This record gives sequence, C-alpha cells and structure tokens, in this order.
Amino acid sequence: EVRLVESGGGLVQPGGSLRLSCAASGFTFSTYWIHWVRQDPGQGLVWVSRINGDGTTTTYADSVKGRFTISRDNVENTVFLQMNSLRVDDSAIYYCTRGAPGDSVWFGPWGQGILVTVSS
Amino acid sequence: QSALTQPASVSGSPGQSMTISCIGSSSDIGAYKYVSWYQHHPGKAPKLLIYEVSQRPSGVSNRFSGSKSDNTAYLTISGLQADDEAYYYCCSYAGTNIFVLFGGGTKLTVL
Repeated sequence: EVRLVESGGGLVQPGGSLRLSCAASGFTFSTYWIHWVRQDPGQGLVWVSRINGDGTTTTYADSVKGRFTISRDNVENTVFLQMNSLRVDDSAIYYCTRGAPGDSVWFGPWGQGILVTVSS
Repeated sequence: QSALTQPASVSGSPGQSMTISCIGSSSDIGAYKYVSWYQHHPGKAPKLLIYEVSQRPSGVSNRFSGSKSDNTAYLTISGLQADDEAYYYCCSYAGTNIFVLFGGGTKLTVL
C-alpha cells in the first residue's frame, strides 16, 4: 500500500522556521516527483513546491520562493520542506503528495496533512 | 494568475446526478489536457478522482466522470450517495512558470 505521512508541524512565531517531513512507503520512492500542497484556513488548495526523483530539480510557488527549500533523502524515503521566515499567511494544513508518472500532471495518493500555525 | 473558479456549494438528493463546474482560462484548462479532480473529506487525505480530464484511476467508482469544454472543466457525479458529501477540487496544469492552479473547492451536500 502506498502511504505518505507528514510530520513536523506546529506553532511558530512570525519570522521563525519549521521543517516538515514526508515519509513515504509502498512504492519505488526515487522514481517519483513529490509535491507539497497547502490548504489555507477556510480556503482552497494551493500548490507549494515539488522535487524530482533524484532531487536535482526543484520548483516553488512565487509566494514561498526564497523562503522555503524542498529536499529529499532517497535512502530514508523522506521528503523535507524547510520553511524559513515564516509569515502569518503561511498558516495552513500542509499535504505531501506523489506526482504522476511520466509527463502527466496529477497528484495521488496524498498524506493526511500536518497543521502549521504561524502566530505571535 | 488566479485560482480556478468553482461554485462554493452545491446540493442534491440521493440518487440524483450533480455536475460541478471549474472555470479557467485559455492559459490553463483551455490549453492543456491535464485537468484533475479531487475529493476531500475534512480531516482525511484528499483523493484523486479524475486525471487528464476524463480518466478514472483504478478503484474509483464509475459514478464519477470528467469532461472539458473550452476553458471549463466539469465533474459529474451520478447516483448521489451520502458518502459523496465532501469538498471537491479541480486542478489544471498552467505552464512551466505557474505549474498548477487549483479551484477554490466546492462543498457538496447530499440532502
């Protein structure tokens, strides 16, 4: 069974840092893109970042570029999202999800999400 | 570029059919075949329902179907069931700079 499990969320003050982890199992981890998508409070989904299978290519939404860094460990089958200079509007539920194989674009399966709250 | 536009809420009775729209532009839905739909029960992991406009992953009920016309995508749910009550999100590829856009989500209530 393919599983993705997020951890590392919590409460942090504005300007602070947090590191999210996404532990994967049940598939050949190193061959898939992994994405982070967030759901702002009371809002819809927003794509945040992605990393390819060998970790050589990363992409970010403009709203987090320069503040967030995505990386992966293909031995531990884990993807990380290092979030620095956090702002109140970064508060959200963060989901990690597996990208589609090949050139297609879709997401699945998803983790259950982890809550990040940025507040003083 | 703004998020895709979905109705905030829809409702229907058990057994009825329901169609949820997702309005984009010629730069996203109208330009690519990479439209997908997700079902989300709050507190649970979102679930892929439809990919590439109308393809259904294995294990997804054939009561769910997708289509596209010009800049608008549609998700149709036939034979509404109580468990279909959830939020539904559309998503479209929008080119290399933006990557993807999601809709704001539609809350489906089964009366």
